[in-house]
Parts: sequence; C-alpha cells; structure tokens
Amino acid sequence: DGGITQSPKYLFRKEGQNVTLSCEQNLNHDAMYWYRQDPGQGLRLIYYSQIVNDFQKGDIAEGYSVSREKKESFPLTVTSAQKNPTAFYLCASSRTNTGELFFGEGSRLTVL
Amino acid sequence: AQSVTQLGSHVSVSEGALVLLRCNYSSSVPPYLFWYVQYPNQGLQLLLKYTTGATLVKGINGFEAEFKKSETSFHLTKPSAHMSDAAEYFCAVRRDGNNRLAFGKGNQVVVIP
Repeated sequence: DGGITQSPKYLFRKEGQNVTLSCEQNLNHDAMYWYRQDPGQGLRLIYYSQIVNDFQKGDIAEGYSVSREKKESFPLTVTSAQKNPTAFYLCASSRTNTGELFFGEGSRLTVL
Repeated sequence: AQSVTQLGSHVSVSEGALVLLRCNYSSSVPPYLFWYVQYPNQGLQLLLKYTTGATLVKGINGFEAEFKKSETSFHLTKPSAHMSDAAEYFCAVRRDGNNRLAFGKGNQVVVIP
C-alpha cells in the first residue's frame, strides 16, 4: 500500500545532541513537508520541499535542517540549536496544486 | 495572510447528539478548505475538503461541512455522534500555490455515553 513512513515513532535525546527523523513516501508526490505539533497549538510548518534538491523554510525553521536528495525521502534533523525540541513531528506529502496533504504517523521526540 | 480560527479547544457531546465544530477562515484569495481528524499518537487523516463547486461537502464517517463565503465559515457537522468520533479535529486553509496549509488550533472532541 502507498503511504508515508516516519521513523522512529518514539525518540529520546539528551540535550546537546542532534537527531534525525526519517520520512519516506511511495506515493510519487512531488512536495513534502515537516510540521511540528504542540498541545493546543495546532500544526506549525518547519520546512517544505516542492522538488528534489530544493527546499524552503517554513514558519519555525530555526534549529532545524532538512535535505531532499531523493523524491521519496525528506529527513529532518533537529539540532542542538533548537531551544525546545520536545514535540510531535509530522511529515506530509502532496501532489502539486491539489491542496490535500497526506500525513505519516508522526514521531514523538522527548529531550531528557 | 490566510488563517483559521477554531473556538473551544475541548468540545463535549453526548452519544447520538449533533456534532458541530466551528471554523472561520481569513483568505485573500478563493480558499481551499480542509477538515482533518487525528486519533491519539497518530497522523492526520483527511475528513473532507472544499476547493470549488458545491458548497456542501460530504466526507468520511458521516461528516459534512458547508462553505459559506459571506460568513467566511466552514463548519463541520455530524448528525449523530458515535463513541469512535472521539478525536482531535483540525480545520485548515491553503495558504498559497505551494500547498502550504494554515491550521487552526484544533478541537478535542469527547463523546459522553
């Protein structure tokens, strides 16, 4: 079945460590997105990519980095510069111009 | 800038009663509007969407929403709540041609037996 796979589902990190969250899709979608979810805050856009080897900052990109070397993959690195990284991270993809996003199951990051 | 307002972070409804979740949007262009549902520790699933055409949109699990341009609203309804409807619901509006969405803060729905 086609879909979006995020891993790991749960991740614990010590302060000062970088971590990378994986996002893979087999939907043949051009665009991919990373959102951060905090309780009562809705979803906030971190980074997005419309095409391979190109990506743009979203609303809260500070302390995060991404790459888009393959159409299927859009990993997110949470760096030690992110002041409050504990959150639920959601990856999504879409066909260009349809508006509809398809989401993965999410990754919950906890900083100890 | 496009934005969405959802009032009432927590909504309680009795089993069998009407579910009504309100969404008001702000958009400088004809909006694309969405409702998503999220179960605990899971991703978001699309319930329904409005892009163009018929203003009453039917979605999955018996939900529907009506686009009212004059009221800048896109309220979600279901005639009879079921225990399985307990979840968080998000309204969203497309911000631009890059499919970036602006999300509301969500409504946590509790269904009372």
